[in-house]
Amino acid sequence: RKEVEQDPGPFNVPEGATVAFNCTYSNSASQSFFWYRQDCRKEPKLLMSVYSSGNEDGRFTAQLNRASQYISLLIRDSKLSDSATYLCVVRTDSWGKLQFGAGTQVVVTP
Amino acid sequence: DAGITQSPRHKVTETGTPVTLRCHQTENHRYMYWYRQDPGHGLRLIHYSYGVKDTDKGEVSDGYSVSRSKTEDFLLTLESATSSQTSVYFCAISEEGTGTYEQYFGPGTRLTVT
Repeated sequence: RKEVEQDPGPFNVPEGATVAFNCTYSNSASQSFFWYRQDCRKEPKLLMSVYSSGNEDGRFTAQLNRASQYISLLIRDSKLSDSATYLCVVRTDSWGKLQFGAGTQVVVTP
Repeated sequence: DAGITQSPRHKVTETGTPVTLRCHQTENHRYMYWYRQDPGHGLRLIHYSYGVKDTDKGEVSDGYSVSRSKTEDFLLTLESATSSQTSVYFCAISEEGTGTYEQYFGPGTRLTVT
């Protein structure tokens, strides 16, 4: 079983709509949580850290559910530029080693 | 953007040849990481470093070695490249002091082993 699991998608979203997706993680001792964005043939870029109380950054909202061991990302008012693969990432140790999900592809259409 | 460069950006090599990839940072960060990314897999950690001359293995370290003789440089070596090492390789650095261990990635190296 993979440590971090994501629905690969694609999630096809009309421009202006809202899209949400989750990932699950297996290690209950996980300490930090992140969403990264990766464009085709580019490096992953940090989108946002995910805090226990949930947090928002503009049109992006992240939630953490430790009891059920999942993290969610919601994108409101989707833009064409939001088309990308979103990576769910979890830190499980004190050396900063991260576990990556394989990514959820989002395609925003005009 | 974090000051991370990788070289070369693309490389084609033959099975059995040695290959060295370089990661260079200008941020003076202590932690550096090498990952590989393959279709259907998340990024997988190859090796990491927590200081000059301090390195350790990740989950897919077989066939790879690393060295870090200066804070700014982290080298990944494939001693004898195999076709299974065809991949995209990313280097990452991590800030100290934040407690969150957010990582920032270099642009990647596309390696093809024929």
